[in-house]
Amino acid sequence: DAKTTQPTSMDCAEGRAANLPCNHSTISGNEYVYWYRQIHSQGPQYIIHGLKNNETNEMASLIITEDRKSSTLILPHATLRDTAVYYCIVRAPSLRLQAQLWSRFKAAGNKLTFGGGTRVLVKP
Amino acid sequence: DTGVSQNPRHKITKRGQNVTFRCDPISEHNRLYWYRQTLGQGPEFLTYFQNEAQLEKSRLLSDRFSAERPKGSFSTLEIQRTEQGDSAMYLCASSLDDRGTYEQYFGPGTRLTVT
Repeated sequence: DAKTTQPTSMDCAEGRAANLPCNHSTISGNEYVYWYRQIHSQGPQYIIHGLKNNETNEMASLIITEDRKSSTLILPHATLRDTAVYYCIVRAPSLRLQAQLWSRFKAAGNKLTFGGGTRVLVKP
Repeated sequence: DTGVSQNPRHKITKRGQNVTFRCDPISEHNRLYWYRQTLGQGPEFLTYFQNEAQLEKSRLLSDRFSAERPKGSFSTLEIQRTEQGDSAMYLCASSLDDRGTYEQYFGPGTRLTVT
């Protein structure tokens, strides 16, 4: 799986948009960008994922550059409860789909590889 | 609450003792994962199951560690002869692999302290 680079930490004002960058310059054509977050003393929580189109759900928006070498997670109206460590992860589709569609390629595996993440502090 | 439960939530044990953790995934999920997380670090993959088959193990999973998922539902992670370096949060996650892209749903974790 491609490696990602994120800022170590960032602050955000409550009620404002939080823009979290992630660099993944070595991303391969079939690799997705995933975002998870981990609130203190809890397990990681899935936020959103995308391949090349921008994605939006009830939690956040994901903007992926045209060359796919970087992406930005946007929390549109940050609240104090959004204070967490945010992880950007790049990985290929699961083993089973790869085996079905591209059997000549080596399977990527199924684990999530977490880096250090960005520690986001939302301030009142 | 993601629907993934882990027990116990906290475990304190003395070095050399054996410990066992349990994970109950979301009922329809066929994949189950174990991760370990030490203070200040992101979670690290240990192993995963598809149904009852253990398909991948990390190099972090030494001979003292064993994981099972006997009926393709709940899973147990056992650590034998615990060492202080085993102190960490042990996280379980589950997913439903039906489209190739998937989200993993994590439990709250079991915090292990080895004294």
